[in-house]
Amino acid sequence: SQQGEEDPQALSIQEGENATMNCSYKTSINNLQWYRQNSGRGLVHLILIRSNEREKHSGRLRVTLDTSKKSSSLLITASRAADTASYFCATDARGGSYIPTFGRGTSLIVHP
Amino acid sequence: DTGVSQDPRHKITKRGQNVTFRCDPISEHNRLYWYRQTLGQGPEFLTYFQNEAQLEKSRLLSDRFSAERPKGSFSTLEIQRTEQGDSAMYLCASSPRDSSITPLHFGNGTRLTVT
Repeated sequence: SQQGEEDPQALSIQEGENATMNCSYKTSINNLQWYRQNSGRGLVHLILIRSNEREKHSGRLRVTLDTSKKSSSLLITASRAADTASYFCATDARGGSYIPTFGRGTSLIVHP
Repeated sequence: DTGVSQDPRHKITKRGQNVTFRCDPISEHNRLYWYRQTLGQGPEFLTYFQNEAQLEKSRLLSDRFSAERPKGSFSTLEIQRTEQGDSAMYLCASSPRDSSITPLHFGNGTRLTVT
């Protein structure tokens, strides 16, 4: 079963615009991670936010976490064509084995 | 930095045949995971090892699937009597320690097509 659900499923924007993706999950978590996947490749870790953190930045990435709403958002600012990829959130349930559970992902297309 | 390596990258097999995939994790990573991913979906957990011990298996892992990590280094995933529904990308990932604050490092996967 997939714990996290990303929204939207697909996003198409122009280069230079910002892209926002959301993730909702069901159970209490230890942390939430965002990964990126280029077509036909493995996933690459982008950023991890712990359950006691509310916001985190890494370069053009900004992640927020609202544990009361069980949701997170990933913002990519000033998008580039090279940002075209699928983006997944992954959570691990508090009190369980550390097994990251992934959502279905958001497919982002950035048009040059 | 040699990342996670998976072999083969692609495998086409006929229904009913057995297939075996190999994963070489990052050196000294003691946790190794197998996930399966179908088109348009996120990775689904199959099983994971801590060193050579297989600690958890998903209900997705039917009796036709078996995974090993004999010396706590590389791992193999075997599928017996393949079915068309086994067609997917099989992803391997490793992490350096038993902690929830370390990310997974993924290989580029083995894409299986069962005809």
